[in-house]
Amino acid sequence: DSGVTQTPKHLITATGQRVTLRCSPRSGDLSVYWYQQSLDQGLQFLIQYYNGEERAKGNILERFSAQQFPDLHSELNLSSLELGDSALYFCASSVEAGRVTDTQYFGPGTRLTVL
Amino acid sequence: GQNIDQPTEMTATEGAIVQINCTYQTSGFNGLFWYQQHAGEAPTFLSYNVLDGLEEKGRFSSFLSRSKGYSYLLLKELQMKDSASYLCAVRDPDSGNTPLVFGKGTRLSVIA
Repeated sequence: DSGVTQTPKHLITATGQRVTLRCSPRSGDLSVYWYQQSLDQGLQFLIQYYNGEERAKGNILERFSAQQFPDLHSELNLSSLELGDSALYFCASSVEAGRVTDTQYFGPGTRLTVL
Repeated sequence: GQNIDQPTEMTATEGAIVQINCTYQTSGFNGLFWYQQHAGEAPTFLSYNVLDGLEEKGRFSSFLSRSKGYSYLLLKELQMKDSASYLCAVRDPDSGNTPLVFGKGTRLSVIA
């Protein structure tokens, strides 16, 4: 158990819908990262927040957005869902951004299925 | 650009030793990570190298050569539970948009 929690574990929805994935980082971690992993694909970095502020942005679609709240939990919002958005979505957290030894610890993931 | 290469699949026998290689080409380098990921589960942190040489941690060891852009993960006394994907990831400080770049992973199958 990494200490990172994600809800829900599974989510099944229809095309065109909007969903919100939630992540709580490990106690003391200020950075939160979101990744997408499709079947047989590597981890694709979406976005990073550090202490409430956006720190880095990867190949995140405009239909997707995220935020980090004052209590440091984060939410990833996916809208106008398409079949191709079906994937595992992982959240990771680390103590701080940029420190050389900073290690990311991953949550159990949310499996999104778009029908 | 950034490029991380790993073999797609490997098979090894229970009790044996296996070496999983990773080569990388990145603009900068600030450390290399290895993660283990069982199917459908979260990646779990295995090791971190930032200086050249070998880091040993129980049955797992990781080696880094910065001049060659090369790392390997060595798994000894293989067990069936070691069947998983192994992900190599590089921290590139020159990448303004990706804190950690992951390879596609090596799927290891341990057979009896």
